[in-house]
Amino acid sequence: DIQMTQSPASLSASLGETISIECRASEDIYSNLAWYQQKSGKSPQLLIYAANRLQDGVPSRFSGSGSGTQYSLKISGMQPEDEGDYFCLQGSKFPLTFGSGTKLEIK
Amino acid sequence: EVQLVESGGGLVQPGASLKLSCVASGFTFSDYWMSWVRQTPGKTMEWIGDIKYDGSYTNYAPSLKNRFTISRDNAKSTLYLQMSNVRSEDTATYYCTRTMMVTCDYWGQGVMVTVSS
Repeated sequence: DIQMTQSPASLSASLGETISIECRASEDIYSNLAWYQQKSGKSPQLLIYAANRLQDGVPSRFSGSGSGTQYSLKISGMQPEDEGDYFCLQGSKFPLTFGSGTKLEIK
Repeated sequence: EVQLVESGGGLVQPGASLKLSCVASGFTFSDYWMSWVRQTPGKTMEWIGDIKYDGSYTNYAPSLKNRFTISRDNAKSTLYLQMSNVRSEDTATYYCTRTMMVTCDYWGQGVMVTVSS
């Protein structure tokens, strides 16, 4: 199975701050990577797919980048509604595998 | 609006069987692969498997393949997950998801399964 190593496990950011979350794959996943946001008690919402494509309706302050084994999610200007858990998902090879998640809080 | 509504969860004893359902609406169900994903109480996400749009092919996580079966009824726009010989480690929230470009683009609200005697 492809292992997805996500960091950091938790992050505290001030309003307006720009933050990044990383996912590293154990092998090349050819940009088959998605990012999700999960708010407390809710189901995950897709933010980014194919490494850098913004899902419809997602604010443009969210962006994804990366290639090969290294990927990142950036939030440009933290907003209160961005608090929650974030995780990555690789879709390059079965079984699909997830990162361990990042808890993002407002400082 | 895409909606996925799971049902069938609850408290189940170890070794028992359970069948989860997911009713889809807001899109043409028979056009999409569908998947099941679970999230443990500790928030670990695990992909269970998926099923082709016509039900003719499935993929499973190797660790679950022998106990879990995914099926669908396109006439009813319904996805199923049959779980057998459940164990305490199967305790989780189970999500039905629509699959698009090898990712899960829409998720249901989830259904909790607790395995305990």
